[in-house]
Amino acid sequence: DAGVTQSPTHLIKTRGQQVTLRCSPKSGHDTVSWYQQALGQGPQFIFQYYEEEERQRGNFPDRFSGHQFPNYSSELNVNALLLGDSALYLCASSWSTRGHYPYNEQFFGPGTRLTVL
Amino acid sequence: QQQVKQSPQSLIVQKGGISIINCAYENTAFDYFPWYQQFPGKGPALLIAIRPDVSEKKEGRFTISFNKSAKQFSLHIMDSQPGDSATYFCAASPTGNQFYFGTGTSLTVIP
Repeated sequence: DAGVTQSPTHLIKTRGQQVTLRCSPKSGHDTVSWYQQALGQGPQFIFQYYEEEERQRGNFPDRFSGHQFPNYSSELNVNALLLGDSALYLCASSWSTRGHYPYNEQFFGPGTRLTVL
Repeated sequence: QQQVKQSPQSLIVQKGGISIINCAYENTAFDYFPWYQQFPGKGPALLIAIRPDVSEKKEGRFTISFNKSAKQFSLHIMDSQPGDSATYFCAASPTGNQFYFGTGTSLTVIP
């Protein structure tokens, strides 16, 4: 089992550009969450996808959008990049937790390091 | 607003010592409190987790202590080893879907 994989590993963009990051969940997982981790900070929840729909969203602007495909893989898109979008973007997958215990463990990928110049 | 506050920011411990990291929260809707370990170049990995109906949970050298009335929880690493050197994050969740992370503690265990 390859675990959660993300691509690309690193990415450099300039302000105003658009970027797409990709995530393949761990085998058997149907839920994908995206997090932004700024340098020296904890991950911040962006949104979660389940059954190809955005199930929950954190406090991020509409410039951040996503998609989940029938094979459960996911993309994170960021439009009109700002310098402040420079961060490590983490994808986490899990088997769906339907809001009641026991909650299923999230497995994180290694992340995509995005640098905006 | 930081939903989960974590301290200290960094910690240096001698091999064999006890490492203690503390977290506090305000949102009483949180009902799941995991701790994650992150090594450079890797994503966070779940270490241990607790629900608020339990005051303590132990797994090997790692123990979570939970104080529901004070809205605080802590991670204790017993017999700390150089291989434990990493960044540790506490987190909290109300539903198991959206997680709020602390700002992290960089632990260095000196041989």
